[in-house]
Amino acid sequence: EAGVTQFPSHSVIEKGQTVTLRCDPISGHDNLYWYRRVMGKEIKFLLHFVKESKQDESGMPNNRFLAERTGGTYSTLKVQPAELEDSGVYFCASSHITGAYAGELFFGEGSRLTVL
Amino acid sequence: DQQVKQNSPSLSVQEGRISILNCDYTNSMFDYFLWYKKYPAEGPTFLISISSIKDKNEDGRFTVFLNKSAKHLSLHIVPSQPGDSAVYFCAAKAPQGGSYIPTFGRGTSLIVHP
Repeated sequence: EAGVTQFPSHSVIEKGQTVTLRCDPISGHDNLYWYRRVMGKEIKFLLHFVKESKQDESGMPNNRFLAERTGGTYSTLKVQPAELEDSGVYFCASSHITGAYAGELFFGEGSRLTVL
Repeated sequence: DQQVKQNSPSLSVQEGRISILNCDYTNSMFDYFLWYKKYPAEGPTFLISISSIKDKNEDGRFTVFLNKSAKHLSLHIVPSQPGDSAVYFCAAKAPQGGSYIPTFGRGTSLIVHP
């Protein structure tokens, strides 16, 4: 069974440009999460999808970030326009169920974004 | 306003010895705790978890201890092996809106020397 896959693995863009990150969750996982880690800091929650619906987007930094999950399968996270502080590693994770005892999230390898 | 704190950015241990990684939390609503392990250029992978109704959970060489009164948990690895060298993230869940989304700490980089 394929794990969570993310694309691209690394993106280098200029400030003001647009970048779109893609995540393919594990097949059958309704829950999809985006997290971000700035170097040396915590893995910070961005948002949570249940199927195609945004369940919680409280972690999204500002309206330059747009996440979609059309059809409840893969998800995209667009940053437009990108700023220097957006640099970091963006992790996608998926899970079959939620809840306190739902077990772990399955993470992708991350998409490293460098904004120059 | 970090709710999950890992105050030691790094830890160096000799192979065969015990590794103890610490984690403190501030949110008293957290009722489930997890440890994830991350190798370079990979995503975090789940290691072990503990519910707030327990004070210890063991899985092979890995044991997690929870001290609710102190809002502290620790991960013990005995014996430590070079392959355990990785970044370890502590995470905690609270029933915010019923979604139980994990909140992560900054991670502790463990280096196990042969």
